[in-house]
Amino acid sequence: NAGVTQTPKFQVLKTGQSMTLQCAQDMNHNSMYWYRQDPGMGLRLIYYSASEGTTDKGEVPNGYNVSRLNKREFSLRLESAAPSQTSVYFCASRTDSPYGYTFGSGTRLTVV
Amino acid sequence: SQQGEEDPQALSIQEGENATMNCSYKTSINNLQWYRQNSGRGLVHLILIRSNEREKHSGRLRVTLDTSKKSSSLLITASRAADTASYFCARYVNNDMRFGAGTRLTVKP
Repeated sequence: NAGVTQTPKFQVLKTGQSMTLQCAQDMNHNSMYWYRQDPGMGLRLIYYSASEGTTDKGEVPNGYNVSRLNKREFSLRLESAAPSQTSVYFCASRTDSPYGYTFGSGTRLTVV
Repeated sequence: SQQGEEDPQALSIQEGENATMNCSYKTSINNLQWYRQNSGRGLVHLILIRSNEREKHSGRLRVTLDTSKKSSSLLITASRAADTASYFCARYVNNDMRFGAGTRLTVKP
């Protein structure tokens, strides 16, 4: 099935631990995005990549790094997890046209 | 900060009734989009309305756009229990999509 695949679906980390959230899309989209969703806050953009080899900060980039490994894959890394990073993380992609995004099913991360 | 603000925050109706959700935004747009999110799932794109359009339909969905008031509304007609979800408006800001906090719709059978 075409779409955006995120792994893992759930993760619990201890404060200070690191981890990488993986995202892959098979729709040949140029642009990919990482969002976090917190209760009552909607989605906030962490980082995005307009094309392979480029990345840019979004609204809330502090504490995160990203890698656009190739056109299909866009990973999000937490180097030293903090409780404030407890959230649901969504990856999304889109074509160059300003049409709708395709979202993954999310990663629920808890930092204790 | 959010670039689209949905109103109301929560809406509860009976199956068969219509549901109307509103979205306000602050700066000019080329287009505005509506998404649905079922509990525990990712967002699904519903409909896009361009700035030169005033109304658009898709099945039981009707979206209106008033650029002079910087507002949009999403109407779901003849609602079903399966329409229970959160609904978000979104628009592009500096080449990325910004979402509001959403309206939580509950349709009671």
